[in-house]
Amino acid sequence: GNSVTQMEGPVTLSEEAFLTINCTYTATGYPSLFWYVQYPGEGLQLLLKATKADDKGSNKGFEATYRKETTSFHLEKGSVQVSDSAVYFCALIYGNEKLTFGTGTRLTIIP
Amino acid sequence: GAGVSQSPSNKVTEKGKDVELRCDPISGHTALYWYRQRLGQGLEFLIYFQGNSAPDKSGLPSDRFSAERTGESVSTLTIQRTQQEDSAVYLCASSLAPGQSYEQYFGPGTRLTVT
Repeated sequence: GNSVTQMEGPVTLSEEAFLTINCTYTATGYPSLFWYVQYPGEGLQLLLKATKADDKGSNKGFEATYRKETTSFHLEKGSVQVSDSAVYFCALIYGNEKLTFGTGTRLTIIP
Repeated sequence: GAGVSQSPSNKVTEKGKDVELRCDPISGHTALYWYRQRLGQGLEFLIYFQGNSAPDKSGLPSDRFSAERTGESVSTLTIQRTQQEDSAVYLCASSLAPGQSYEQYFGPGTRLTVT
């Protein structure tokens, strides 16, 4: 079946540091890939997505590239801010099916 | 427009009691999904609806769990004879249609605590 493995947390960084959260997946066929974010006290929201190999999703300074050869979709940001503190979930969907999520990575940014 | 709403936002119940959780999807969204998020874990799929029918119930953990959807709108997730391991945040999502072309929009969740 489909599965997503993402970097264990928690991750603590200083403001303006470079961020990488690793995500790899296993899927039959060619899934669409997502990063969702859950800010403190808020619901889950879509951060970015990519629907085919070599696509790059980007939003709010975050980027992730769909790498079919390494089955990865790592999340990156060049300079994090305190407001980026949240839990980040990598997820995939294939065909007419449900989202399959990773376990989430809690990110804390220190001023 | 309005997003996905869920009620109650918090529910504390005693072991053995039944609970009902409600989800109001975005108007016009034909697909509706229920997920569960237990503490320190990722989201687990429970069930999804296309219209009023449920093509995939594979994630329901036991026969104590059931869900229905009426009028291609509101859905209720019912847990009978709750157990402590049912404690989790239950999330509902909706999308225009099922499948990977359509973004799922999530509600704020219902935090269920079974004592």
